[in-house]
Amino acid sequence: AQSVTQPDIHITVSEGASLELRCNYSYGATPYLFWYVQSPGQGLQLLLKYFSGDTLVQGIKGFEAEFKRSQSSFNLRKPSVHWSDAAEYFCAVGAGSGTYKYIFGTGTRLKVLA
Amino acid sequence: GAVVSQHPSWVICKSGTSVKIECRSLDFQATTMFWYRQFPKQSLMLMATSNEGSKATYEQGVEKDKFLINHASLTLSTLTVTSAHPEDSSFYICSAQVVGDEKLFFGSGTQLSVL
Repeated sequence: AQSVTQPDIHITVSEGASLELRCNYSYGATPYLFWYVQSPGQGLQLLLKYFSGDTLVQGIKGFEAEFKRSQSSFNLRKPSVHWSDAAEYFCAVGAGSGTYKYIFGTGTRLKVLA
Repeated sequence: GAVVSQHPSWVICKSGTSVKIECRSLDFQATTMFWYRQFPKQSLMLMATSNEGSKATYEQGVEKDKFLINHASLTLSTLTVTSAHPEDSSFYICSAQVVGDEKLFFGSGTQLSVL
């Protein structure tokens, strides 16, 4: 069965510093991989996704993620964090055919220091 | 981009009553909708998958008689929490998908508080 692990529950960075959020997945084939961001009391917004092709994907708000098959990882990065990036970030694995079921990681809460 | 509207945003109800949550795809036809539950500071747990015109598929451990899901049209799915109890208090999020497209579009969620 597929699963997603986000090892870091909380991360605190200073504004302007770089950021990397870790995500490891377990799935037999190449999955769809996603990063979502959730602000308090809100739904989820898609940051970026990977299905195939270039393993470095660019997303919105200056985020990027790199798919590393050998490490079963899909880490999210941003070179310079802004205070507005403070939120909860979820990594997800989507699998299926036609209808895709998503499995979410436990999330990483990002705090940004001014 | 595609918009999913979820209503209400928050609801407070008395124990024993039923609450209906609506999830609408505003500018696309959603052949599949998903319902998630999220406890404070935790991840989203998939509750059920609903396909238009057919019965919902519930995840293991989810009571289908308690969480009634109806997907009567290509733009609307509803989740009814029947005979709500305080332990049902949670944040419920819906998402919608077009068949063959791996992208999910999420509603803004509903905070349910059962007194």
